[in-house]
Amino acid sequence: DQQVKQNSPSLSVQEGRISILNCDYTNSMFDYFLWYKKYPAEGPTFLISISSIKDKNEDGRFTVFLNKSAKHLSLHIVPSQPGDSAVYFCAASGSQGNLIFGKGTKLSVKP
Amino acid sequence: DAGVIQSPRHEVTEMGQEVTLRCKPISGHNSLFWYRQTMMRGLELLIYFNNNVPIDDSGMPEDRFSAKMPNASFSTLKIQPSEPRDSAVYFCASSNRGTYNSPLHFGNGTRLTVT
Repeated sequence: DQQVKQNSPSLSVQEGRISILNCDYTNSMFDYFLWYKKYPAEGPTFLISISSIKDKNEDGRFTVFLNKSAKHLSLHIVPSQPGDSAVYFCAASGSQGNLIFGKGTKLSVKP
Repeated sequence: DAGVIQSPRHEVTEMGQEVTLRCKPISGHNSLFWYRQTMMRGLELLIYFNNNVPIDDSGMPEDRFSAKMPNASFSTLKIQPSEPRDSAVYFCASSNRGTYNSPLHFGNGTRLTVT
């Protein structure tokens, strides 16, 4: 039973437009959420995070929104660039500091 | 900072053979994690260590899998005997659990193919 779900396996966006990646979770005990970015043949790299006491965190072109009542978070990338093309993983932090990942969304940004 | 180092990058072996994957975490990190990535199941946590002690191995698929961390700078994941369904990319990650919600830093993975 998946505790972290990314329901869109892929997303295609035009360069310069906004990319919105979505993630849902089921465990209300999660208190910290992260987004990772993964290029082929590389390990996932940390992108941005948000604590459950906040509803928004922004870092440059990347913003993560958290809706605790809906158990939903999203990653906004604006403007999208071709170099953003990668697989994006949503993750939630368990009580021991381990991360539980979604299955990922492959983002393609077309020039 | 050299990052998390995994070896080998690729491993091809025959069913029934023993496979050992290796990981060197980032110096100073006190938590180490082994993940497996497959198309069907995504990134699954297999086992993790805090201060070289295994904390949760509930993700280890079965007794054929074992992991050790003899010291703070080295860990192994062993599969004996290997089976074709073990084919996947295995990632090692480390973090500094003393820093609240320190992100995990991943290695580049070992792609295992069992024929």
